[in-house]
Amino acid sequence: GAGVSQTPSNKVTEKGKYVELRCDPISGHTALYWYRQSLGQGPEFLIYFQGTGAADDSGLPNDRFFAVRPEGSVSTLKIQRTERGDSAVYLCASSLKGGLSYNEQFFGPGTRLTVL
Amino acid sequence: AQSVTQLGSHVSVSEGALVLLRCNYSSSVPPYLFWYVQYPNQGLQLLLKYTSAATLVKGINGFEAEFKKSETSFHLTKPSAHMSDAAEYFCAVSDNNDMRFGAGTRLTVKP
Repeated sequence: GAGVSQTPSNKVTEKGKYVELRCDPISGHTALYWYRQSLGQGPEFLIYFQGTGAADDSGLPNDRFFAVRPEGSVSTLKIQRTERGDSAVYLCASSLKGGLSYNEQFFGPGTRLTVL
Repeated sequence: AQSVTQLGSHVSVSEGALVLLRCNYSSSVPPYLFWYVQYPNQGLQLLLKYTSAATLVKGINGFEAEFKKSETSFHLTKPSAHMSDAAEYFCAVSDNNDMRFGAGTRLTVKP
């Protein structure tokens, strides 16, 4: 079956611009996660959705970052006034249920964001 | 807050040799521990996970890991490396809704 998909696979933008990154989770998965992976680092947690609501957004670095999941399926990560330091691979993952720490998260291939 | 430390950002072994990738964790509560593998231009794939059942966990592709509470470790091993094992490996810990990853270890397998 289809896994987690993310679009675009690559995004190049200029400093100060607005970007949107999309994630399509596995069908039926209620939990969705966003991570950011900088070069040479492990994924860094950003936000977790259970259904339509953000259950934990403690990882968002500042108010330029925002994410939505209006219908409990597709999610969009939005970054305003991008900065060069935002350049990274943004990973999305989904799991069948949230709230249980041992549930396996299935990861998408990521979106590589480059801010010039 | 929980965290993991992976010792060695790069590990190189010969084909057929033992693979040992080290991970130490820090957690205030009994942790759930994971090993993920990332092949180039692909998403992370779960190798195995520890969820407080057996301390020796067997995963896919011949990998296994042993949870040692006294050493706060969860090292990943494989008896005999294959060329196809070359990838980036991440240890992760979760005691809440989020997951904390280590910085990763890049495994190179020499013919």
